Amino acid sequence: GENVEQHPSTLSVQEGDSAVIKCTYSDSASNYFPWYKQELGKRPQLIIDIRSNVGEKKDQRIAVTLNKTAKHFSLHITETQPEDSAVYFCARNKLVFGAGTILRVKS
Amino acid sequence: EAQVTQNPRYLITVTGKKLTVTCSQNMNHEYMSWYRQDPGLGLRQIYYSMNVEVTDKGDVPEGYKVSRKEKRNFPLILESPSPNQTSLYFCASSFKWAAYSGANVLTFGAGSRLTVL
Repeated sequence: GENVEQHPSTLSVQEGDSAVIKCTYSDSASNYFPWYKQELGKRPQLIIDIRSNVGEKKDQRIAVTLNKTAKHFSLHITETQPEDSAVYFCARNKLVFGAGTILRVKS
Repeated sequence: EAQVTQNPRYLITVTGKKLTVTCSQNMNHEYMSWYRQDPGLGLRQIYYSMNVEVTDKGDVPEGYKVSRKEKRNFPLILESPSPNQTSLYFCASSFKWAAYSGANVLTFGAGSRLTVL
């Protein structure tokens, strides 16, 4: 199908550690992969995206990697901070979203 | 301020009583979409619209209707709400629907929490 599988569903890390969230897809025609962050009680907002012509994209402490062969892409957050605590959603073309990952950063 | 505005933000209603959730954007976006968010299920698309008078079903359209008579407005209609439609609803828009470009960055509304008793 066209679903996006997202793992883990919840992730707890200590402040300063790294966090990695992974998504897999099945549609080989997909070539746009955004990540949205939703803070508690707020609306989702785009934090980073990647197109299939690149394998990695970075923006300060966040990065996204894409493995087209294996059909998965991952969000990497380094030096996590309490304000990184949120629900993170991956998505792909046609904006099919994953089920979300609740990230808790413990201080 | 560029934004997507939804109303009402909160609503408690009863089974079978028709309701409409309005959505309006002031960014001249072509593409608009409705999602529902339920715990553990992420954001599931209900309906979307690529432009005026063009609408199509998403993944979970049953029990919902939409219309797109004007570019800025995309109301979500529940003709006969049922308890399984209790959810958090988000309207979103993007400049245009371009499947293979970054033009489809979504701007979300603040959400509408609907409870059907």
